[in-house]
Amino acid sequence: DAGVTQSPTHLIKTRGQHVTLRCSPISGHKSVSWYQQVLGQGPQFIFQYYEKEERGRGNFPDRFSARQFPNYSSELNVNALLLGDSALYLCASSLAGDPNEQFFGPGTRLTVL
Amino acid sequence: QKEVEQDPGPLSVPEGAIVSLNCTYSNSAFQYFMWYRQYSRKGPELLMYTYSSGNKEDGRFTAQVDKSSKYISLFIRDSQPSDSATYLCAMSLYSSASKIIFGSGTRLSIRP
Repeated sequence: DAGVTQSPTHLIKTRGQHVTLRCSPISGHKSVSWYQQVLGQGPQFIFQYYEKEERGRGNFPDRFSARQFPNYSSELNVNALLLGDSALYLCASSLAGDPNEQFFGPGTRLTVL
Repeated sequence: QKEVEQDPGPLSVPEGAIVSLNCTYSNSAFQYFMWYRQYSRKGPELLMYTYSSGNKEDGRFTAQVDKSSKYISLFIRDSQPSDSATYLCAMSLYSSASKIIFGSGTRLSIRP
């Protein structure tokens, strides 16, 4: 069975640009969460979606937005990129949002120049 | 002060040794405690999940939670080179993925 998949694997952008990251959850999982992991730090929660509705939002500026589609895949959008947005962006899926059943994807490494 | 403190290491031990990894936290309301393993260039993988205080064992891994001291531990017995990774502790007030607070991770290296 396929795990959580994310695309692209790597991405290089310049300051001020916009980026869209994509995530496909494990088949049957209805909840998707997004995390930002800066080098040397633990993941920091950005958004959680369940059944296409936002269930939680972390302490990130409005430049960050996300959505979940009817097939439960998800997109994370970041506008007006800053150097500090350089990080590994992780997607995790679960049946209903319980961290006990949360599986992470390999992440998208974003570099902002 | 961070809500969750974790020694970044690196920690290097010989193969077969018992490894002890620890985290302290400041919020006494945390009820759910987790340990994740993260290999280089991979996403975190859940190893252990504990509710409230006590011990939980799974194979070579044992998780301990001491809520009175606000201290959690992960023990790895008979450590192997394949255990070399970054270990992240995490905790939450609720059983919800949106409320997890992660530690910064401890880099562990097992020498053959």
